[in-house]
Amino acid sequence: AQKITQTQPGMFVQEKEAVTLDCTYDTSDQSYGLFWYKQPSSGEMIFLIYQGSYDEQNATEGRYSLNFQKARKSANLVISASQLGDSAMYFCAIPDSWGKLQFGAGTQVVVTP
Amino acid sequence: GAGVSQTPSNKVTEKGKYVELRCDPISGHTALYWYRQSLGQGPEFLIYFQGTGAADDSGLPNDRFFAVRPEGSVSTLKIQRTERGDSAVYLCASSPTGQYQETQYFGPGTRLLVL
Repeated sequence: AQKITQTQPGMFVQEKEAVTLDCTYDTSDQSYGLFWYKQPSSGEMIFLIYQGSYDEQNATEGRYSLNFQKARKSANLVISASQLGDSAMYFCAIPDSWGKLQFGAGTQVVVTP
Repeated sequence: GAGVSQTPSNKVTEKGKYVELRCDPISGHTALYWYRQSLGQGPEFLIYFQGTGAADDSGLPNDRFFAVRPEGSVSTLKIQRTERGDSAVYLCASSPTGQYQETQYFGPGTRLLVL
């Protein structure tokens, strides 16, 4: 079974600064992936970025990048140049072989002017 | 194209009543997932459909919960004899074929409040 841990319940970051959100995971699968989703106060889960365990280079999508360290079972999300609209809950999630997602508890990010 | 839609957006009901929550996935997506999110927590898996069949219903909390997807598109989550503990946001997601590396696209959720 998969397990996801997000140890930071909340973080404050100043506008234009970078922020790193921690995520560690545990899985017995040889081939797996890791997703990050954003959930603003409106409630919808918005896909941000994905990386597979077989990918050699860390994934990037615009201002989002994954710092994937398989040996440490860590997949941290880095948001560069934070914007006020980045204020939201952020979840990492790991799928099982059916695609069913196991989510972490989430990290609340507040971006301040 | 259209994303995942869910109706109603909000539902208030009384303890003991029956409710139905509807999910309309992205057209052509064969995989459909239901999750439940309680306040302050991450979503928890309820059930996964591949086409018309429930491939994994291990997350349904008890036999008061049931879901169908009769034509392989729209899905309905049904809750009988609702309890106050069923209050949560019910999220639906779909993906093209259900492979683990595919992105799941979520609907806006249905906020269920049981009084």
